[in-house]
Amino acid sequence: KAGVTQTPRYLIKTRGQQVTLSCSPISGHRSVSWYQQTPGQGLQFLFEYFSETQRNKGNFPGRFSGRQFSNSRSEMNVSTLELGDSALYLCASSPSGSTDTQYFGPGTRLTVL
Amino acid sequence: GENVEQHPSTLSVQEGDSAVIKCTYSDSASNYFPWYKQELGKGPQLIIDIRSNVGEKKDQRIAVTLNKTAKHFSLHITETQPEDSAVYFCAASIGTGTASKLTFGTGTRLQVTL
Repeated sequence: KAGVTQTPRYLIKTRGQQVTLSCSPISGHRSVSWYQQTPGQGLQFLFEYFSETQRNKGNFPGRFSGRQFSNSRSEMNVSTLELGDSALYLCASSPSGSTDTQYFGPGTRLTVL
Repeated sequence: GENVEQHPSTLSVQEGDSAVIKCTYSDSASNYFPWYKQELGKGPQLIIDIRSNVGEKKDQRIAVTLNKTAKHFSLHITETQPEDSAVYFCAASIGTGTASKLTFGTGTRLQVTL
């Protein structure tokens, strides 16, 4: 099976802009979780989508949002970018949720200038 | 809030020696404990996981032990090799049912020297 893919791999934006990141899960997986990874805060959970519904949410401001499509592909959007949003954004897919084995993609490296 | 503490933050061992990384968790309802290895420029890769109904699990040179009473779990790597050098993360499920999510430790940078 093909692994989790994320596009784009690298992105440079300026403050105030918005960005959309994409994640294609492993075929057959219905759960997609998003994480933010930074040197200072480590891996932090953003949200989880399952069957097109947000099932879980971490402690991030409303500028961070996501959605999932009927084919389980997911997107996350960050509006009004801040310098502190610079991070590696990872998505992980699993058959049914967080207590299933999660498989991570390679991440999208976002730099906000 | 619920968190996972991981120690040490860095670990240097000689090739062939063993490496041990320890994590503690606070949520007594946690029932799933995966370990991930992250190499430079890549996403985390699952290397082993354990559930709360099991005390120990082994896969070749890697083993994980879980002490539910003390709320801690450990990763053991024997006969370390240079390719084991990476950052290792422990995680624990927080919450129950469909509301559960993974909370990660802060990571251990393992360096295996020749």
